[in-house]
Amino acid sequence: KQEVTQIPAALSVPEGENLVLNCSFTDSAIYNLQWFRQDPGKGLTSLLLIQSSQREQTSGRLNASLDKSSGRSTLYIAASQPGDSATYLCAVNQAGTALIFGKGTTLSVSS
Amino acid sequence: NAGVMQNPRHLVRRRGQEARLRCSPMKGHSHVYWYRQLPEEGLKFMVYLQKENIIDESGMPKERFSAEFPKEGPSILRIQQVVRGDSAAYFCASSLLPYNNEQFFGPGTRLTVL
Repeated sequence: KQEVTQIPAALSVPEGENLVLNCSFTDSAIYNLQWFRQDPGKGLTSLLLIQSSQREQTSGRLNASLDKSSGRSTLYIAASQPGDSATYLCAVNQAGTALIFGKGTTLSVSS
Repeated sequence: NAGVMQNPRHLVRRRGQEARLRCSPMKGHSHVYWYRQLPEEGLKFMVYLQKENIIDESGMPKERFSAEFPKEGPSILRIQQVVRGDSAAYFCASSLLPYNNEQFFGPGTRLTVL
């Protein structure tokens, strides 16, 4: 059974710092992996989608990598800003239908 | 191009009542997924529907919960005889194609059962 783990559960950093969020999954047979952002009381915003054949994706200050064989993905945020404060969720698409989510990393960026 | 729409955004029900949650997918998307987020837990898949068909309902509780996606109109998640444990945020997502495709999420419906 696929399990997705995100470490750390919470992270506090000062503005301007570069940071890495980690996601690991137990079964490497995945179709793709998605990173989402969730603000308190709000829905999910898709940040990056990495197909199983890809190694990384970039969007602005965000870079996500995927190492399928070791069951790991990282989300790198450059030059963090207070507006980046949110919960970041990692999800894998294994069977092609349902996404399996980690519990998220709650990020707080102080000014 | 409107995103995934859900209504109501907040729903309060008393124990034993019925809750109906609606989801309109993004324009052109015919694949809809429902997820539930319980307090202090991650999002859990409930059901995947394509127009008029339930494709995968492996995450749906066996009793009181049902879902549909008619040919016309939004997808509906229906919870009969709600209990306090049903209080959660319910999210709908849609995709253009099945399998290996990016899912886009709505704002969610927050159900509170008194």
